[in-house]
Amino acid sequence: DAGVTQSPTHLIKTRGQQVTLRCSPKSGHDTVSWYQQALGQGPQFIFQYYEEEERQRGNFPDRFSGHQFPNYSSELNVNALLLGDSALYLCASSLGIWGEYEQYFGPGTRLTVT
Amino acid sequence: AQTVTQSQPEMSVQEAETVTLSCTYDTSESDYYLFWYKQPPSRQMILVIRQEAYKQQNATENRFSVNFQKAAKSFSLKISDSQLGDAAMYFCARNQFYFGTGTSLTVIP
Repeated sequence: DAGVTQSPTHLIKTRGQQVTLRCSPKSGHDTVSWYQQALGQGPQFIFQYYEEEERQRGNFPDRFSGHQFPNYSSELNVNALLLGDSALYLCASSLGIWGEYEQYFGPGTRLTVT
Repeated sequence: AQTVTQSQPEMSVQEAETVTLSCTYDTSESDYYLFWYKQPPSRQMILVIRQEAYKQQNATENRFSVNFQKAAKSFSLKISDSQLGDAAMYFCARNQFYFGTGTSLTVIP
């Protein structure tokens, strides 16, 4: 079992550009959540996808959007990048959307906006 | 507010000793779940221990145990017989969405 995988590992973008990050969940998991983790901070919840729909959303602007595919993999898209979007983006998968389920995290994508 | 607070940004412990990491949270819900996650320097976060709020008994996983005080909304993590591999950032979380700011644990040989 490969666990949760994310690509790319690192990414450098220019302010104003758009970026797409990808996540493959752990085998058997149907729910994917995305988090933004600034340096030295805890993960901030962006949104959660289940059955190809956004189920929950944190306090992030519409520039952050996502998608879930029939195979449960997911993408995070960020438009009009700002310097403040520089962070580690974590993907986590679980079996179900309810709060009691353990999440398995990927290694993250380090996004740098210059 | 749905906040999780970790008041200790950094902690250190001698190898083989015991350390306790603190966490408090705020919620109006009666049923919820609490987690401690560990994030080693390699970044991949892993689950340490999980507690169901409706259970009175404190969860235990080998050297890791929690002190869950529901009325006080407190959820501390105790690490016994600390090992060098325990050095990491530790995050307290409520349900799947609410994480604290973390405690950096250093283990001194």
